[in-house]
Order: sequence, then structure tokens, then C-alpha cells
Amino acid sequence: GQNIDQPTEMTATEGAIVQINCTYQTSGFNGLFWYQQHAGEAPTFLSYNVLDGLEEKGRFSSFLSRSKGYSYLLLKELQMKDSASYLCAVRVWRGYSTLTFGKGTMLLVSP
Amino acid sequence: DGGITQSPKYLFRKEGQNVTLSCEQNLNHDAMYWYRQDPGQGLRLIYYSQIVNDFQKGDIAEGYSVSREKKESFPLTVTSAQKNPTAFYLCASSPPGTSGRGFTDTQYFGPGTRLTVL
Repeated sequence: GQNIDQPTEMTATEGAIVQINCTYQTSGFNGLFWYQQHAGEAPTFLSYNVLDGLEEKGRFSSFLSRSKGYSYLLLKELQMKDSASYLCAVRVWRGYSTLTFGKGTMLLVSP
Repeated sequence: DGGITQSPKYLFRKEGQNVTLSCEQNLNHDAMYWYRQDPGQGLRLIYYSQIVNDFQKGDIAEGYSVSREKKESFPLTVTSAQKNPTAFYLCASSPPGTSGRGFTDTQYFGPGTRLTVL
């Protein structure tokens, strides 16, 4: 089966840096995605890692270690608008290509 | 503008009635998906379609049905057999991956339909 773990909630201050961790246990791994979801809205794609290492996109970076089944999303220079849920999703092959999602980490950014 | 549309945004139905949720995309994506999201839960896959006239059950297909008669459209019917239909329903689509091994690329989501069954 698939198992993806993320912290349920995190809090941080505007301007700070926050790291959201994701651990997974899965077979047929073929990449890890991070999505941002504001309350009542659709998830929006943030980043994708298929090889080990760090991917940087502006204020957001994502890291993957396949041997450890571990990823993190790093958010720098936090802004109030970054308050949202962050979803970790693993792409696997189950006879077809599919994503398995974690339950999401709710990030609250305070002034 | 290319994108995925879902309608309506809010939907109310009486218990025992079937209801169909619309999902349309003009991104020319082959693969389309339906997910359900409940509070405190991750997204759970209901149905998946890789091409027209073909679809597969996901993890929680019981009480749901789909059709894929056109590439652009993937409607989901929530039947009276679904015991807890009240939820946020999300449709997504993705282009083929570039690895040549059958994996699809990034999934992009529509705005969602919040269904409430009274």
C-alpha cells in the first residue's frame, strides 16, 4: 500500500522561512509533487521532484531523497498569502499512472 | 484561455437523488481524473480516464459512475448508492509524461464543486 505522512499544522511569522516535511512509503515510486491549496479552492501545482536533490523556484524550493523516502518544501520570505494547505503527492504506477496524496499541512502565517 | 472548468461551484441535492457534476477541459489533455476531498483527509481518487471511451475505478469508486465520450469532457454521476456524498469534488487533467513509460505528467485541477446532500 501507499503511506504518506505530513504534519497536520504549522505556524510561522511573516518574513520567516518554513520547512514542511513529507515522508512516504510506497512501491512503484516515480516522482513527488507539491501543491498549494487555499481554503475552498483547487490545488495549484508548486513543484515536482523525480531525482534526488533540490529544485528551486523563486521563494519555493523542494528537496527529495528517494533512499530515505523523504521530501521537504521550503518557503522563504513568508507572506500572509502563503497561509494555505500544502499537499504532498507521490506518483506511482498501479496499472496506470496515478497520484497518492497526503492529508496536507495547514500553514498559518501571522504578522 | 486554456483551463479546466467545473460547474456548478455549489450544488444541493436531496438524499436519494442522482446528481451529475460537470468537468470540461480545453487543454487537449488525454488523462482526466475525479477526486473527492473531505475535511482532514487527503484527496482520494474516484475514477480515472486515460483516453476517450476508457476509464478505470480508483480507490473509492463505489456509488459513482463516469463516462468519457469526448476528450474534453469527463462527467461524474453521484448515485443514490453513495452513502456519504457530501464532499468537495475536484476534477483534474494531465498531459502524457515524457518518460515514454506510460506515466502522465503534472495534474492540473479545476475549481471544484461542493456538493451538499440534504
